[in-house]
Amino acid sequence: EAGVTQSPTHLIKTRGQQATLRCSPISGHTSVYWYQQALGLGLQFLLWYDEGEERNRGNFPPRFSGRQFPNYSSELNVNALELEDSALYLCASSLQTGWNQPQHFGDGTRLSIL
Amino acid sequence: GDSVTQMEGPVTLSEEAFLTINCTYTATGYPSLFWYVQYPGEGLQLLLKATKADDKGSNKGFEATYRKETTSFHLEKGSVQVSDSAVYFCALSAGGTSYGKLTFGQGTILTVHP
Repeated sequence: EAGVTQSPTHLIKTRGQQATLRCSPISGHTSVYWYQQALGLGLQFLLWYDEGEERNRGNFPPRFSGRQFPNYSSELNVNALELEDSALYLCASSLQTGWNQPQHFGDGTRLSIL
Repeated sequence: GDSVTQMEGPVTLSEEAFLTINCTYTATGYPSLFWYVQYPGEGLQLLLKATKADDKGSNKGFEATYRKETTSFHLEKGSVQVSDSAVYFCALSAGGTSYGKLTFGQGTILTVHP
């Protein structure tokens, strides 16, 4: 069974540009989650999508947005990139909604802002 | 709000030594608790979980018991190997406004020497 896949592996952008990160969940999983892992800041929750709808959002500005497609894959968009957006962005998926459901993570997209 | 506190690292051990990584949490209600492991250059892998008080999660020789009275979920392994060198994250999942998100501790770097 294929795990959570993310693309691209690395992404280099300059300040002010826009970045799009993609995620394919494990087959059968309907919930997709996005996290930011910035150096020294740990893992921070960004967004949760389930059945195509945004269900919860972390403490991030509106220039972080995303969507979930009918096949349950997801995109994370970051507009007006700033230097502090440099981080590893991790996508996770779970079989169904519920706080006892473990989330399974991909290997992430490393976003570097020059 | 919800929070997770892990023991400060890094932790350096010799092969076959006993490992304990402390984790305590603050949450309303009855959260589910998880340990994740992150190897260099990779995403997070679920190591074990516990969903209610007194549950013991176990996997690959690692164990953790959900202690509601002490709000703790300490990770233990009786005999570590070099291959266990990684970053370990304690996390919780709760309901209410935190529904759908994992709240992580800051991570503990473990290095095991031969």
